[in-house]
Amino acid sequence: GQQLNQSPQSMFIQEGEDVSMNCTSSSIFNTWLWYKQDPGEGPVLLIALYKAGELTSNGRLTAQFGITRKDSFLNISASIPSDVGIYFCAGSGTYKYIFGTGTRLKVLA
Amino acid sequence: EAGVAQSPRYKIIEKRQSVAFWCNPISGHATLYWYQQILGQGPKLLIQFQNNGVVDDSQLPKDRFSAERLKGVDSTLKIQPAKLEDSAVYLCASSPGPAGNEQFFGPGTRLTVL
Repeated sequence: GQQLNQSPQSMFIQEGEDVSMNCTSSSIFNTWLWYKQDPGEGPVLLIALYKAGELTSNGRLTAQFGITRKDSFLNISASIPSDVGIYFCAGSGTYKYIFGTGTRLKVLA
Repeated sequence: EAGVAQSPRYKIIEKRQSVAFWCNPISGHATLYWYQQILGQGPKLLIQFQNNGVVDDSQLPKDRFSAERLKGVDSTLKIQPAKLEDSAVYLCASSPGPAGNEQFFGPGTRLTVL
């Protein structure tokens, strides 16, 4: 099945650094969701975006709905060790969500 | 508010055996999803229910997988007979309405087929 492209696939960063990742699609979407998944757990919803150009924050996390409606971005500021995990985007055009391939984040203390 | 509940959390079976997973969505959520997540990949939609009707099951291997959502609340996903490639985490999610709404996941069931 189709999966969205997420970049980077994985990254190591130092604690305190800012992180950026993105998600791209060949289709136009009406909704973008960003999730974090820890080992052995289900994905946890971080941010929901509903409008092109929308910028939404949740604590140290900020996500943007791309103007073209084919991409979305997630930024994490001042990373901490508990930010470790896999981040997934999910986009929806009509009635179902398609998930990205994931960005694996590892934070070095 | 209670989240999405799933059971069991882990299951180990031999190939050709049968297995069933159960999901209880967030109260009042009309839409229920079953996803398969293979190690290292994002969740892949298997089936989506709106109340007790199927909205999408285009990626459900219907020769071995079946799912039902009687009474529009709880749901069960069954695999019969299981194959080695069915080893994955099976995630249930729910949302207040169709996609376009926030979607919440349960903890998943990790299936290992030997």
